[in-house]
Amino acid sequence: QVQLVESGGGVVQPGRSLRLSCAASGFTFNIYGMHWVRQAPGKGLEWVAVISYDGSNKYYADSVKGRFTISRDNSKNTLYLQMNSLRAEDTAVYYCAKGRRGDWNDVFEYWGQGTLVTVSS
Amino acid sequence: DIQMTQSPSSLSASVGDRVTITCRASQDISNFLAWYQQKPGKVPKFLIYAASTLQSGVPSRFSGSGSGTDFTLTISSLQPEDVATYYCQKYNSTPLTFGQGTKVEIK
Repeated sequence: QVQLVESGGGVVQPGRSLRLSCAASGFTFNIYGMHWVRQAPGKGLEWVAVISYDGSNKYYADSVKGRFTISRDNSKNTLYLQMNSLRAEDTAVYYCAKGRRGDWNDVFEYWGQGTLVTVSS
Repeated sequence: DIQMTQSPSSLSASVGDRVTITCRASQDISNFLAWYQQKPGKVPKFLIYAASTLQSGVPSRFSGSGSGTDFTLTISSLQPEDVATYYCQKYNSTPLTFGQGTKVEIK
C-alpha cells in the first residue's frame, strides 16, 4: 500500500530555513509526480509545489516562489522541500502528496500524515 | 490566475438528504476538476477526478458533474460519516488551486 511519511517539521524563527522530507513506499516512486500541499491552522488547503516524475519540471505557488525549492531523489524514494526565508504566514501542516500521473498538472491521489511547521520568534 | 469558488461555505442537512456542493472556476478548465473530503482532524481524501470519475473505493453515493466553469459534487443520501469539509481543485494549469471548502454537518 502507498505510504508517505513526512519529517523535518518544527518550530523555526522568521527568516530561518527548514528542510522537509517525505519518504515514499508501496509504489514505483520514479514514475509519479509529487506535490507539497499545506494547511494553515483552521484554514483551507493550499498547493505549494510540484515536481514531475524525473525532476525536469517544477512549479511553485506565488506565495513561496523564490523561497522554497522542491526536489526529489528517486534512488532514495524521497521528496524534499527546502524552505528558506520563512515567514509567520508559512506556519502550516505540510503534506506530501502523490500524483496520479508523472506530470505536473495532476490531482493529489495519496497524502501523507503531514508535518507541522511553526514559524515564530 | 484562475480562481475557484465553492458554495455554500457550509451546510447542515439531515441523514438521508441529497446534498449538492457547487464549485465555479473563473475561467474554462474543461474537466480538470477534482474533489477531496477532509474529515475533522484527518488527512484529506481524494474522491473524484476528471470532474465525474469516482476514485476506486469511494462510495457510490458520491458523484460529480460539470465541465467548463461550473461543477457540482452530490451526495445522494447523506450519512453520518460524510461529516467533513469538501474541497474542489483545478489541475489544468498551475497554480493547482483549491476552492475555499464547504463544511457539511448533520442537522
